[in-house]
Amino acid sequence: DAGITQSPRHKVTETGTPVTLRCHQTENHRYMYWYRQDPGHGLRLIHYSYGVKDTDKGEVSDGYSVSRSKTEDFLLTLESATSSQTSVYFCAISPELAFSSYEQYFGPGTRLTVT
Amino acid sequence: DQQVKQNSPSLSVQEGRISILNCDYTNSMFDYFLWYKKYPAEGPTFLISISSIKDKNEDGRFTVFLNKSAKHLSLHIVPSQPGDSAVYFCAARDTGNQFYFGTGTSLTVIP
Repeated sequence: DAGITQSPRHKVTETGTPVTLRCHQTENHRYMYWYRQDPGHGLRLIHYSYGVKDTDKGEVSDGYSVSRSKTEDFLLTLESATSSQTSVYFCAISPELAFSSYEQYFGPGTRLTVT
Repeated sequence: DQQVKQNSPSLSVQEGRISILNCDYTNSMFDYFLWYKKYPAEGPTFLISISSIKDKNEDGRFTVFLNKSAKHLSLHIVPSQPGDSAVYFCAARDTGNQFYFGTGTSLTVIP
C-alpha cells in the first residue's frame, strides 16, 4: 500500500471558521490531488499539485486553497467553511506520469461536517 | 455537467457469474481511462486502466473494454466473487492531467 495518510480523519466545525486538512505521503511521488466525494457526484477534483509550490485548480476549487511547501505534504484550506463544504475529502498521489499508467493512490479520507 | 457518467447506481450478480459495469463519457480528448474499487470508509483503490489507443486490457479476472466511437467503456469481472462487492468508479484523464470520475456503481455479489 502506498504510504499516504490524512489528518484529521474526522472533523466537525462551525460555519465561518477556517479549516485545514493535511495529506502526508512517504512515497516521494510528484503529483498530489485533493478530491471531495458527495452523493450523486462521485469524486470531484478540487486542486492538484505537480511539484513543490506548483499547484493548479480542479473543477470545484471555489472556496478552497492549497499549499505544498514540501514534497511530502499537501494542505487543503477552507478559509471560511460553509455547510456546502460538508463532504468526505480524499487525498491522492501518483508518480511521475511517464512511468505510470496514471493510477492514483488514495488516502483513507477525512469526513468534514460544517454545522 | 458530468463528463463521465455511470448510469447504473447498483448491480447485483450471482457468485461465479459475470459482472459488467458500464461507463459513458462526453469528452473526446480523454486519453486514459481507469477503474477504481471502493469499500466503505476507505479510499478508492486502483483496479485497471486503458489507454485511448487500445480497445481492451485484461488483468486476471478484470477486463476493460473501450469503444471510442461510442464513448463507452465497460469493466468485466469474471468470475464474480463476494469480495468484489464494493462501489466501482470509472475515471478519465484529460490532456491537462485532470481526472474526472463517474458517480459510481455499487456491485453486490450474492453467494
